[in-house]
Amino acid sequence: QVQLVQSGAEVKKPGASVKVSCKASGYTFSNYAMHWVRQAPGQRLEWMGWINAGNGNTKYSQKFQGRVTITSDTSASTTYMELTSLRSEDTAVYYCARGPIVMYNWFDPWGQGTLVTVSS
Amino acid sequence: QSALTQPASVSGSPGQSITISCTGTSSDVGSYNLVSWYQQHPGKAPKLIIYEVSKWPSGVSNRFSGSKSGNTASLTISGLQAEDEADYYCCSYAGNSTWVFGGGTKLTVL
Repeated sequence: QVQLVQSGAEVKKPGASVKVSCKASGYTFSNYAMHWVRQAPGQRLEWMGWINAGNGNTKYSQKFQGRVTITSDTSASTTYMELTSLRSEDTAVYYCARGPIVMYNWFDPWGQGTLVTVSS
Repeated sequence: QSALTQPASVSGSPGQSITISCTGTSSDVGSYNLVSWYQQHPGKAPKLIIYEVSKWPSGVSNRFSGSKSGNTASLTISGLQAEDEADYYCCSYAGNSTWVFGGGTKLTVL
């Protein structure tokens, strides 16, 4: 079955960077896109960006432009999301979610989430 | 992009129907039939329940239904069950390869 497994929880200091991984299985990795969505404690889902796993093209939300980088390793069926210059407001659960490369119509399935805590 | 607007909470009794609205703009909900809905139980990852406004993914109950009129999409849950108690989020394609989520709605089954 299609499954996304993310890396474990992280604790970072303000100003540091974090890199979260998302390993896919059960489908042809390069035929789909991967999105990253975050959720601060008690808050809404927030779309951060996506990568076309077939050609490596990316697009980021304006809010995170310049601080986020999404990459993929096709040989490992793994996508990475790196967020730099961390601040306390970046404390959140970060999810990866598979999406179609065309039609742009769904995110399914989602990874289990990775809690990133930013604290001095 | 501003978040899509959803009511903070809705409630209903078992067996009843409820509707959750999701209001966007002519740049997102109003321009594309690419609205999806997600169910999220506490401490869990979101789950896709509706895509392309009104289509069901495999395995999702047809008690969930979706619609859209103008800049507002809606999710209706009929025959409410205790396990439907969760947070619900709408999401719309917003053009230029970007997406926007709603603020989320907490459903309480009384």
